Amino acid sequence: AQTVTQSQPEMSVQEAETVTLSCTYDTSESDYYLFWYKQPPSRQMILVIRQEAYKQQNATENRFSVNFQKAAKSFSLKISDSQLGDAAMYFCAYRRPGNQFYFGTGTSLTVIP
Amino acid sequence: SQTIHQWPATLVQPVGSPLSLECTVEGTSNPNLYWYRQAAGRGLQLLFYSVGIGQISSEVPQNLSASRPQDRQFILSSKKLLLSDSGFYLCAWSTLESPYEQYFGPGTRLTVT
Repeated sequence: AQTVTQSQPEMSVQEAETVTLSCTYDTSESDYYLFWYKQPPSRQMILVIRQEAYKQQNATENRFSVNFQKAAKSFSLKISDSQLGDAAMYFCAYRRPGNQFYFGTGTSLTVIP
Repeated sequence: SQTIHQWPATLVQPVGSPLSLECTVEGTSNPNLYWYRQAAGRGLQLLFYSVGIGQISSEVPQNLSASRPQDRQFILSSKKLLLSDSGFYLCAWSTLESPYEQYFGPGTRLTVT
């Protein structure tokens, strides 16, 4: 079974600094998709960034970027120039070639002014 | 643009009572639909997903059931609620093309007393 592991239950970062959130996953598939979602206190799940496993280039969305290491099954999220609005729970997710999505247990990010 | 609605937003129900949570999607056809539960301080647990009308797949055997009576309507039900059914319930839909990202509704907070 596919599993997604986020080993950092909590992280903190100074405003304007950079922080990296870790995610590893277990799969025997070669074709899959990875995502990072943000859940602010409103609890609305917001898609932050996506990565197709067949693409070697790391995805980037403004201040958010990923470090995708397929062989190591690692998918970390880097947030640059952290802002107060980045404070939230961040979830890593894996989608297998079927229709199921699997989520990690989340990392709570605090941004210190 | 696509939007997803869930209701009610908040629900308090006694143990043993029935449950019906509704989710509807606008602006897309034949979406894949999902029900998740998020327990306090934890990640998302996939409960059910559907690839079409009347087609439901269950990920976790439990006290809940799901139905899809119309293309863009997804219902989560229970005949008799348990205390352990308390949580935050999220409905989501996903695109049918790569990268198959998911979009979430605002959620329903269910408290079983």
